[in-house]
Amino acid sequence: DTAVSQTPKYLVTQMGNDKSIKCEQNLGHDTMYWYKQDSKKFLKIMFSYNNKELIINETVPNRFSPKSPDKAHLNLHINSLELGDSAVYFCASSPASGRGETQYFGPGTRLLVL
Amino acid sequence: GNSVTQMEGPVTLSEEAFLTINCTYTATGYPSLFWYVQYPGEGLQLLLKATKADDKGSNKGFEATYRKETTSFHLEKGSVQVSDSAVYFCALSDRTGFQKLVFGTGTRLLVSP
Repeated sequence: DTAVSQTPKYLVTQMGNDKSIKCEQNLGHDTMYWYKQDSKKFLKIMFSYNNKELIINETVPNRFSPKSPDKAHLNLHINSLELGDSAVYFCASSPASGRGETQYFGPGTRLLVL
Repeated sequence: GNSVTQMEGPVTLSEEAFLTINCTYTATGYPSLFWYVQYPGEGLQLLLKATKADDKGSNKGFEATYRKETTSFHLEKGSVQVSDSAVYFCALSDRTGFQKLVFGTGTRLLVSP
């Protein structure tokens, strides 16, 4: 009974393709996030949703589009993939969006663009 | 803007050695501070946190104290084990607006038997 799950775990694809990563949490949390971890392990937030509404949208190319069909799911769609998109993408969730809340992370999706 | 600075790694220690990983931050107001740990091939897990000045977070023998005067949140453990080998991330979230974790660059810890 994984708390935050992501699919797929690995994704290898060609430049120019469109791909999606799915995230689901069974913790009953209101807030979900997407983070990108680059090859040097640096982590940066991309998006956050609270109760299906977008609340954080960092400077991310508009080729990246998050979608939250319900508060337990936050998917990430990437159009026209580029080499620089290769990274590990982590989904996370928290009970609310307050500053002291612990975020619970999924296992990550390793994306490799060839 | 807000930022977190961590010591460069890797940190290489022998089992039972004392560990310190330095973390300092820049933020407006009074952020909450976190240490997350990433074991090889896994996602991040919360190790400990502190939400106000002078709070001490502790877990699994690790501890860190929120020092407002030095804007620091150094991670310590008295006796490390091989199983502590991982990447450790210091992070903050500020109180302005919705929570957004700002991470340091991570410090890899390697513990040998």
